[in-house]
Amino acid sequence: KAGVTQTPRYLIKTRGQQVTLSCSPISGHRSVSWYQQTPGQGLQFLFEYFSETQRNKGNFPGRFSGRQFSNSRSEMNVSTLELGDSALYLCAIRTSGGSAKNIQYFGAGTRLSVL
Amino acid sequence: AQKITQTQPGMFVQEKEAVTLDCTYDTSDPSYGLFWYKQPSSGEMIFLIYQGSYDQQNATEGRYSLNFQKARKSANLVISASQLGDSAMYFCAMRESTNAGKSTFGDGTTLTVKP
Repeated sequence: KAGVTQTPRYLIKTRGQQVTLSCSPISGHRSVSWYQQTPGQGLQFLFEYFSETQRNKGNFPGRFSGRQFSNSRSEMNVSTLELGDSALYLCAIRTSGGSAKNIQYFGAGTRLSVL
Repeated sequence: AQKITQTQPGMFVQEKEAVTLDCTYDTSDPSYGLFWYKQPSSGEMIFLIYQGSYDQQNATEGRYSLNFQKARKSANLVISASQLGDSAMYFCAMRESTNAGKSTFGDGTTLTVKP
C-alpha cells in the first residue's frame, strides 16, 4: 500500500484568510492529485501535478492553486477563504505511468473549517 | 464527459449477509479503469478493488468482488459475508486513460451493517 501523509489534519480559518495544505507521498510517486469533498458537491477534482508540472485542473476559481516540489511533496493553497471552502481536502498519489489502471491511493485528508 | 451514478444513497445489510452496491458509468474513452473506495467516518479513502475496461474477468479481492457488465456500463460492488466494520460510505470512481490523474466519483452509498 502506498503511503501519503497530509498535514495538518484539521484546520480552522476565518473568511478572507489564506491557507496552505501539504501532501507528502512516499518516494517514487511523481503524480499527486488533489480533491475537495463537501456534503453538497461530493468529491471534486482540483488539480494534478506530475513531476512538478500541473497536468490538469478542475473547475475551481483561481483562488485555488498548488505546486509540487522536486521531492514530490505537494502543497495546495487557497487564498481569500470563503465559507464554502469548508471541506475535506484529499490528496492522492498513483503509481507511475499514464494508464488508467494505476491505482490512486489517498491520504487521510485535511479537514478545513472556515468561520 | 465521464460520469458516475450511484443510485442508492443508503443501504442496510444484516451481518454475515452479502450486499450489492450499484454503480453505472458513462465515458467515450474505450480505455478506462473503475474503482471502488471505502470511506469510514475518519475520512480516509481506502482503495478496495479495480476493474479495467479490457479485463475479461470480474475482479475479486477477498470479500469484495466487482460485477462488471461492460455493455450495460455497470460496475457493481459485491461484499460477501458483511461485517460490522464494513459500515462506511462507499464510492465508485472512474479514470480514463487520457486523463489518468483525475478520478470522477459518484455520490456514494452509505452502508450500515446491522448485528
